[in-house]
Amino acid sequence: NAGVTQTPKFRILKIGQSMTLQCTQDMNHNYMYWYRQDPGMGLKLIYYSVGAGITDKGEVPNGYNVSRSTTEDFPLRLELAAPSQTSVYFCAARISDTQYFGPGTRLTVL
Amino acid sequence: QKEVEQNSGPLSVPEGAIASLNCTYSDRGSQSFFWYRQYSGKSPELIMSIYSNGDKEDGRFTAQLNKASQYVSLLIRDSQPSDSATYLCAVTYMRFGAGTRLTVKP
Repeated sequence: NAGVTQTPKFRILKIGQSMTLQCTQDMNHNYMYWYRQDPGMGLKLIYYSVGAGITDKGEVPNGYNVSRSTTEDFPLRLELAAPSQTSVYFCAARISDTQYFGPGTRLTVL
Repeated sequence: QKEVEQNSGPLSVPEGAIASLNCTYSDRGSQSFFWYRQYSGKSPELIMSIYSNGDKEDGRFTAQLNKASQYVSLLIRDSQPSDSATYLCAVTYMRFGAGTRLTVKP
């Protein structure tokens, strides 16, 4: 997980609350990604960014928003949390063909 | 719907054996393919990338790609207990399979 940090590690939200998952990389990579991983499943792409100021939707963007004001930071915003958003969230940064993943944030919505 | 399919397993092999992991994909135009290893409770880490038809070897790992059949596989030779993990197939950086859980028994 060297170079990509995520906070918090764990969080419990109540239905309807909002929060921001933080992701920071110190490798100066342009490409960054947010995925969610439900139990026993692969990763699903939520949003990605090809550089500061440029973001685009992935496969499952509904209920989430992102911003990329700097190369280093790529926060993921959850608005009006729902139980369906209970998951493990991974941020990744990529250079060439190698993605480096953060340690993940385990989110539970009750 | 562009899909990536993997046998969910679990796959169990004895130590020293060859483990074979398979993946099929639906998007015929895909150009890049990846295998990741994920230990329980940890984040994925890249093992292999492959872009051209044929085999690509890296140590005990061999990735095989057949674009005509829309099939990519990963072979792990001389499997070790430390190889026990879930292996994720990815097509580009956009779509991942559900993963195959591999257990290597001493």
